[in-house]
Amino acid sequence: QVQLVQSGAEVKKPGASVKVSCKASGYTFTSYGISWVRQAPGQGLEWMGWISAYNGNTNYAQKLQGRVTMTTDTSTSTAYMELRSLRSDDTAVYYCARVRGWHFDYWGQGTLVTVSS
Amino acid sequence: DIQMTQSPSSLSASVGDRVTITCQASQDISNYLNWYQQKPGKAPKLLIYDASNLETGVPSRFSGSGSGTDFTFTISSLQPEDIATYYCQQYDNLLVTFGPGTKVDIK
Repeated sequence: QVQLVQSGAEVKKPGASVKVSCKASGYTFTSYGISWVRQAPGQGLEWMGWISAYNGNTNYAQKLQGRVTMTTDTSTSTAYMELRSLRSDDTAVYYCARVRGWHFDYWGQGTLVTVSS
Repeated sequence: DIQMTQSPSSLSASVGDRVTITCQASQDISNYLNWYQQKPGKAPKLLIYDASNLETGVPSRFSGSGSGTDFTFTISSLQPEDIATYYCQQYDNLLVTFGPGTKVDIK
């Protein structure tokens, strides 16, 4: 069965970076893209960007351009999302999701990133 | 960027009621509109894709319709397990936007 398993919770200071992983199993990793979506406490869903697991092409939300990098390691079927220059308003649960067509059919369990001094 | 509005922002209904949520896009998105259900503390779950297609395994009481800028999501007979927040999501030109969500609870 398809599974996306994310890395554990992180606590970071303002200005630091965080890198969240998302390990895929149960399907051919390179046949689908991965998107990252975050959700601040009590707020809605915010799309962060997308990466093709086939060729590494990316597209990021304009708001995060320059601070976010998405990568994949096809040898381990793992996707990564790195966010730099963290601010308090980056505190959120970060989700990875498999992209089928342009809908997100499987989701990771979420990773809480807390930014606090 | 395309903006999405959803209404209502919240609603209360009785078990067995028909529930309707609308989603409007700021410009034509054809049928690139999906619906998700999110329960507290859980990841979102895909219910409807491409405006009207029911995801495999999703109960048939959920349905979607619309194209262009105006879309509708319906629960034909609300069940206690449907208590959740529902989000629409659009795709256009490699960019994705979610609606602000509609919180559904039982009256």
